[in-house]
Amino acid sequence: GESVGLHLPTLSVQEGDNSIINCAYSNSASDYFIWYKQESGKGPQFIIDIRSNMDKRQGQRVTVLLNKTVKHLSLQIAATQPGDSAVYFCAENIGSSNTGKLIFGQGTTLQVKP
Amino acid sequence: DTGVSQDPRHKITKRGQNVTFRCDPISEHNRLYWYRQTLGQGPEFLTYFQNEAQLEKSRLLSDRFSAERPKGSFSTLEIQRTEQGDSAMYLCASSHSRGAGTDTQYFGPGTRLTVL
Repeated sequence: GESVGLHLPTLSVQEGDNSIINCAYSNSASDYFIWYKQESGKGPQFIIDIRSNMDKRQGQRVTVLLNKTVKHLSLQIAATQPGDSAVYFCAENIGSSNTGKLIFGQGTTLQVKP
Repeated sequence: DTGVSQDPRHKITKRGQNVTFRCDPISEHNRLYWYRQTLGQGPEFLTYFQNEAQLEKSRLLSDRFSAERPKGSFSTLEIQRTEQGDSAMYLCASSHSRGAGTDTQYFGPGTRLTVL
């Protein structure tokens, strides 16, 4: 069935290091992927997205990589800061169906040690 | 603040009572979504509207749940005869759809429902 999952429930990194958060998806028809950041008690905050016709997209301190062959998505955060501590979710959508429904994974908690 | 807003932020109710939540989307966003999130899990899709039309509903949306977006702007989500299993964070998101492909959804802060 459809599912989006994350490999590690918790990732602990030192401040200033780079972080890599991974995500596996199972629906090969998915063609749009988003990373969200969620801090405690708040709604998910958009970080970056990527469509299936790309394999890499860069934002400010963040990079998303998409490997359609193995259905894998990753979020790289450069020079991780304490403010990056949060739960990170990947989400997928089958854009060709023109439905807005996003399917979320369970999330990875990023802990940044000072 | 021009983001998605939700009201109330917290709601505590007794089992069997009805509750209603409100969502105000980003101005001019024609799509509005409701999700439910339980502790430690990612959000789960409930339903979405394009303008005032409700285009899709999840199997999670039982007969006790109803959502409306009467004028294509704000939306309400009502839960009748609440059960303890309804306790969750209810998230609203909005997006601007141009008719092709997928649009970025922006989330509100959520309404935390606790059913005693």
